[in-house]
Amino acid sequence: GAGVSQSPSNKVTEKGKDVELRCDPISGHTALYWYRQSLGQGLEFLIYFQGNSAPDKSGLPSDRFSAERTGGSVSTLTIQRTQQEDSAVYLCASSLNAGQGNYGYTFGSGTRLTVV
Amino acid sequence: AQKVTQAQTEISVVEKEDVTLDCVYETRDTTYYLFWYKQPPSGELVFLIRRNSFDEQNEISGRYSWNFQKSTSSFNFTITASQVVDSAVYFCALSEGRRSQGNLIFGKGTKLSVKP
Repeated sequence: GAGVSQSPSNKVTEKGKDVELRCDPISGHTALYWYRQSLGQGLEFLIYFQGNSAPDKSGLPSDRFSAERTGGSVSTLTIQRTQQEDSAVYLCASSLNAGQGNYGYTFGSGTRLTVV
Repeated sequence: AQKVTQAQTEISVVEKEDVTLDCVYETRDTTYYLFWYKQPPSGELVFLIRRNSFDEQNEISGRYSWNFQKSTSSFNFTITASQVVDSAVYFCALSEGRRSQGNLIFGKGTKLSVKP
């Protein structure tokens, strides 16, 4: 697509429920990044994919968080048993490639998650 | 360790004033990239500039200018003759060149309010 698309744009969920957030990167971009923006906390890196592989998952805040990417394209960030502290805007970005030089990043508009 | 510091949490100016947003970074890499992003109230991250560590030339784009000084590890951003539409949160970010993942490390952001 022309830009990075994220869905849903807004999600309200009850504490304890699971949620899935979707990111559709720019076609041809092999690198995909997830960030979380909590109120007053700035932007926090969560995980990245090069192709379908996620070499470093250490940025995920807990084992309730997981992410996958299939076909080198769409990625899904899953949060299990949501907690109120998970409320944040989740941003996805894609880049032509990861590492070895820098090709810039294109961000999606984010998913605003509210856990009630 | 890599780190980006934006010491100014909030700045308020009156239209037509000049304003400088400070950014100080830390990295052990000799190859790295610095960015500025604008986040208006709509929430989307808007790319403003990317600078690599080997290019210390200052850059001017219309009312925007950037001052990159490796000696002080700073990458400051100046808006000349500010306008109300400049009101936003501005993020400075760092990406290290030799690391394989290429993720962005963000500062906490500076909220700029331009009053008419």
